[in-house]
Amino acid sequence: AQSVTQLGSHVSVSEGALVLLRCNYSSSVPPYLFWYVQYPNQGLQLLLKYTTGATLVKGINGFEAEFKKSETSFHLTKPSAHMSDAAEYFCAVSVGSGSRLTFGEGTQLTVNP
Amino acid sequence: AAGVIQSPRHLIKEKRETATLKCYPIPRHDTVYWYQQGPGQDPQFLISFYEKMQSDKGSIPDRFSAQQFSDYHSELNMSSLELGDSALYFCASSVSSGSEQFFGPGTRLTVL
Repeated sequence: AQSVTQLGSHVSVSEGALVLLRCNYSSSVPPYLFWYVQYPNQGLQLLLKYTTGATLVKGINGFEAEFKKSETSFHLTKPSAHMSDAAEYFCAVSVGSGSRLTFGEGTQLTVNP
Repeated sequence: AAGVIQSPRHLIKEKRETATLKCYPIPRHDTVYWYQQGPGQDPQFLISFYEKMQSDKGSIPDRFSAQQFSDYHSELNMSSLELGDSALYFCASSVSSGSEQFFGPGTRLTVL
């Protein structure tokens, strides 16, 4: 079985500041890890994913995440926050292609001017 | 690029009624997933289909059933609706060899 814990249900940053959203996972097999973003009343959009290979993955809109097996973490970062980054962010894990996603509880990101 | 299509986008039903949600995957995607997202909650996996066969089952109530048709579209049938079924229902699709699931815009079901 796999699970995801997102530390901090709400994160607030100033525009231009570093964004750090935390995600820790538990999986009995090597995980596939994902970050999705959800804007109000919209669907889920994939920001980035880790399957195998390079542990630092870059995604859309300037986001990146690093897979750290020793820490069972997959934290999401962005060097400089934009107002348009305000949204709900979900970390998710699966055990492979064609497998269900298990989501964390989400982190609401607020960007202050 | 074509995306996952869900219909209807909004649905209002009374308690004990039935509802049918439809999902049209991205062309050439052979796997469909259904998720339920309650208010302020994370999406929860319900059920998935690969090549028209059920491939995995999650926390789907017995009152719900789903299937995938020969054209790969899927339908989620919900009977004896309860107030607690009010949620956003997402469909996602993927190719079986791919890790990425592409999500539709969701159907917002409100049960009164």
